[in-house]
Amino acid sequence: KQEVTQIPAALSVPEGENLVLNCSFTDSAIYNLQWFRQDPGKGLTSLLLIQSSQREQTSGRLNASLDKSSGRSTLYIAASQPGDSATYLCAGPNQAGTALIFGKGTTLSVSS
Amino acid sequence: KAGVTQTPRYLIKTRGQQVTLSCSPISGHRSVSWYQQTPGQGLQFLFEYFSETQRNKGNFPGRFSGRQFSNSRSEMNVSTLELGDSALYLCASTGEQYSYEQYFGPGTRLTVT
Repeated sequence: KQEVTQIPAALSVPEGENLVLNCSFTDSAIYNLQWFRQDPGKGLTSLLLIQSSQREQTSGRLNASLDKSSGRSTLYIAASQPGDSATYLCAGPNQAGTALIFGKGTTLSVSS
Repeated sequence: KAGVTQTPRYLIKTRGQQVTLSCSPISGHRSVSWYQQTPGQGLQFLFEYFSETQRNKGNFPGRFSGRQFSNSRSEMNVSTLELGDSALYLCASTGEQYSYEQYFGPGTRLTVT
């Protein structure tokens, strides 16, 4: 059974810091992993999708990596800004590939 | 290209009532999935529809049901509402393959009193 865990649950940093959010999963046969951002009371915005054949994906100041052998993915945010404050969720498919399994998220607060 | 839309955005219902939520996927997307988000349980999968057929179902009681129309729009229905059904209901659409990127709508906030 696929389980997804995110550490830490919350993170507070000053503006300008580089930071790493962690996501671990139990089923190494995962075929992709997706990172989302959620603002309070809002829906999910897709940030990055990494296919199993890829090691990294980059979009602007965001870089996500996927290491299937260790069951880990990381989201790197460079030069953080107050506008980056949100909850970040990672999700991977369940073993049957029929649904996304989400972590509980990391709530990021960037102070100016 | 318009994103995923959900209506209504907010709903207040009383226990015992039923409710219908609507989701319009991105044009060309044939798969629509529904998720429930609560502070305690996080995001949990409800069901997925593809070409008007329910392909997958999560672990929710039969009070939760859905359907998909020929234009790929989907509705979910919750009957005999309970206080614990208060949640943000999100739908997501994707192309034919589940390995494609999932795009989520803004959600419907349901409050049951």
